[in-house]
Amino acid sequence: GDSVTQMEGPVTLSEEAFLTINCTYTATGYPSLFWYVQYPGEGLQLLLKATKADDKGSNKGFEATYRKETTSFHLEKGSVQVSDSAVYFCALSLYGGSQGNLIFGKGTKLSVKP
Amino acid sequence: NAGVTQTPKFQVLKTGQSMTLQCAQDMNHNSMYWYRQDPGMGLRLIYYSASEGTTDKGEVPNGYNVSRLNKREFSLRLESAAPSQTSVYFCASSLGFGPTNTEAFFGQGTRLTVV
Repeated sequence: GDSVTQMEGPVTLSEEAFLTINCTYTATGYPSLFWYVQYPGEGLQLLLKATKADDKGSNKGFEATYRKETTSFHLEKGSVQVSDSAVYFCALSLYGGSQGNLIFGKGTKLSVKP
Repeated sequence: NAGVTQTPKFQVLKTGQSMTLQCAQDMNHNSMYWYRQDPGMGLRLIYYSASEGTTDKGEVPNGYNVSRLNKREFSLRLESAAPSQTSVYFCASSLGFGPTNTEAFFGQGTRLTVV
């Protein structure tokens, strides 16, 4: 079935380090891909998205490119800040099914130390 | 600009008690969802409503019921709470239901403990 696999955390980085969080997906159709972020004690909020192959989503210095050939959507940021500490979820969307609209990965917790 | 509002934020129940989690959105969205979040499990869909008047089971519907009261409101009911339902519950909404229209907006969550 359709699924999302993302690297397990936690990931601990020093401020200004380079960040990569890997995400790969399995889907029978042509999904849209998303990264959501969850700050402590809050709900999820959309960070970026890409709706077709080779699209690049970007926001707040984060980027991810929809790679159909490798079924991947890795999240990157060139220089992380303490304020980026959060849990990051990769997700895809397709029509219908028991998983509804959005299928989430299990999340990767990022901690950035000063 | 409220977005998605869930109540309550925290709740402790005894095994066998019932309760209803309330959710309302003010963005005129058509689709609404209930998820639960457990450590190491990510988010799992309980029920969803693709449009007003329809509801469907998600991945983990057992022990829950839902009501799409109107376009704005989507409630989740636990008829007889069990310790396995201890979790953080999130309501979400989106404008539509499809790959190009699925930016979901989430509420702040309800932390439920069943003892």
